Amino acid sequence: QVQLVESGGGAVQTGRSLRLSCVASGFSLGSYGMHWVRQAPGKGLEWVSLIWFDGSQKYYADSVKGRFTISRDNSKNTLYLQMNSLRAEDTAVYYCVRDLSLGRSDPGYWGQGTLVTVSS
Amino acid sequence: AIQMTQSPSSLSASVGDRVTITCRASQGIANDLAWYQQKPGKAPKLLIFAASSLQSGVPSRFSGSGSGTDFTLTISSLQPEDFATYYCLQDYSYPWTFGQGTKVEIK
Repeated sequence: QVQLVESGGGAVQTGRSLRLSCVASGFSLGSYGMHWVRQAPGKGLEWVSLIWFDGSQKYYADSVKGRFTISRDNSKNTLYLQMNSLRAEDTAVYYCVRDLSLGRSDPGYWGQGTLVTVSS
Repeated sequence: AIQMTQSPSSLSASVGDRVTITCRASQGIANDLAWYQQKPGKAPKLLIFAASSLQSGVPSRFSGSGSGTDFTLTISSLQPEDFATYYCLQDYSYPWTFGQGTKVEIK
């Protein structure tokens, strides 16, 4: 079955960088678009970024554009989120999410998330 | 960015009640809308995609409707396991945006 396991979260100071990883199993990563979605403590969901199955297109939320970079290594079944110039408002649980199916890009299968805490 | 407004923000209901949650888009999004359920401490779960298509494995008491700017999630007979927070998501244009959520609580 589809499994997504995020890692790389932790506590980091304002202005620093962090890279999240998401290892996929149970399916061929290279066939699906992948997303990052985050949720600040006690708050709602925020879509962060999407990368197409082949990495050819990438999209970002306005709040992270220019600071975050999504990438993938299909040979390693791994999705990444490079987060630079981190701010306190980036504190959140970050979920790795797979497209629902081939041809449907709705975020369909979710990992359990990794917590990022940004403070001074 | 397209704004998604859910109503109500919270509601209290009893087991067996019919529950309706509304999501309104700030501009037309065709039928590019999904609904998610999230329980405390858990990842969200996809319920409905393309406004009205039921995700595999989701009970038939859940249904979605609407197109353009106005959408509805209906739970026909609320069950104890349905107490959770529900979110809509527009996947019509980037950046995709979620509604602020509707918390369904036990009356």
